[in-house]
Amino acid sequence: QKEVEQNSGPLSVPEGAIASLNCTYSDRGSQSFFWYRQYSGKSPELIMSIYSNGDKEDGRFTAQLNKASQYVSLLIRDSQPSDSATYLCAPSGTGGGNKLTFGTGTQLKVEL
Amino acid sequence: SAVISQKPSRDICQRGTSLTIQCQVDSQVTMMFWYRQQPGQSLTLIATANQGSEATYESGFVIDKFPISRPNLTFSTLTVSNMSPEDSSIYLCSTQARVDTEAFFGQGTRLTVV
Repeated sequence: QKEVEQNSGPLSVPEGAIASLNCTYSDRGSQSFFWYRQYSGKSPELIMSIYSNGDKEDGRFTAQLNKASQYVSLLIRDSQPSDSATYLCAPSGTGGGNKLTFGTGTQLKVEL
Repeated sequence: SAVISQKPSRDICQRGTSLTIQCQVDSQVTMMFWYRQQPGQSLTLIATANQGSEATYESGFVIDKFPISRPNLTFSTLTVSNMSPEDSSIYLCSTQARVDTEAFFGQGTRLTVV
């Protein structure tokens, strides 16, 4: 079982729709969870962090965390073409240094 | 968040040579890391750069191939040694303020080995 699993996509949604990105993780000790956006040819950019079960909203983005199910998701409301990118899920680890472990990412395409 | 400057941004190198990548942060940071991102893949951690001591390497990465220095809390280098085409990748420097906090990335170094 992979440590962090994401559907690679591509996930295609029409402009204005809600994009739902999912991530499961294997390390039950993970306490911090991060979502990164990566445009082609660019480095990852942090867009959301979540530490507690439930929802966290920031503008058009909502992160959802369920530690019991080892599941974290990212919702993007009113999707825009500029949201087209790869989204990486990164839970913190419980090993030495609490390093982040990155999923393979989900490619999102927002179509006009 | 800290501003992370990484250079060079890209390079094309001959096989068998070495390239040193520099990472400069505009403030002192506790934790610095080096990642590799191969084409179409996610990020793979190479090592944790430890200030004043030897880096901590992840499984599959060795010091002879990827020597790392970190002389202070704002600067680190990664050398890719004796390069082969399989080393063609993006190399990323990353910082974290504390454990369990978010990571920030430099702009990356796109390396092509011919």
